Amino acid sequence: NAGVTQTPKFQVLKTGQSMTLQCAQDMNHNSMYWYRQDPGMGLRLIYYSASEGTTDKGEVPNGYNVSRLNKREFSLRLESAAPSQTSVYFCASSPGLDQETQYFGPGTRLLVL
Amino acid sequence: LAKTTQPISMDSYEGQEVNITCSHNNIATNDYITWYQQFPSQGPRFIIQGYKTKVTNEVASLFIPADRKSSTLSLPRVSLSDTAVYYCLVGDIMDSSYKLIFGSGTRLLVRP
Repeated sequence: NAGVTQTPKFQVLKTGQSMTLQCAQDMNHNSMYWYRQDPGMGLRLIYYSASEGTTDKGEVPNGYNVSRLNKREFSLRLESAAPSQTSVYFCASSPGLDQETQYFGPGTRLLVL
Repeated sequence: LAKTTQPISMDSYEGQEVNITCSHNNIATNDYITWYQQFPSQGPRFIIQGYKTKVTNEVASLFIPADRKSSTLSLPRVSLSDTAVYYCLVGDIMDSSYKLIFGSGTRLLVRP
């Protein structure tokens, strides 16, 4: 039981490049989330998926798209990376959307030059 | 959503009890108080959650006074491995639109 896994662990992009961050959970959770964390700051919600087939915007969705591929997987895509998107990205999951404990992955460190 | 205020940082020594207080003056009737812990280079980890009075688990205790305008996370006999950032979150966990709102947290440094 690996919990929440994320790939890649680290990525460097040039401005304007695109990439997809992958997230998978093996806990049979219904809800999944993407956060970003800037240095010295708390986490901010980018997008979330209450259940398979649904996605909704969080606090800072601009510049991102998501796909809930199936119950296990929730990907985050940057279509045209900008230096302001340099951050650590965390994926999380929970049994349901009504605020049960969220379980976080190890994070993806993204540097946009 | 209720806003929380925590100390930016705290220092302690191994074996001491650490109390981190969070202020949430605008807490609503249905709001719960939740604490997460984050180690460097890791995602946050749930520690404890409560509504009123006192909650205790194998990791920590959470004290909530009657007016619920503040709460205190108590870590008994801390060790070096308790060095982390601790986040206090407040919200209605039964509201399907509730989202975790993280502030800057409290950076706890445990010294030998």
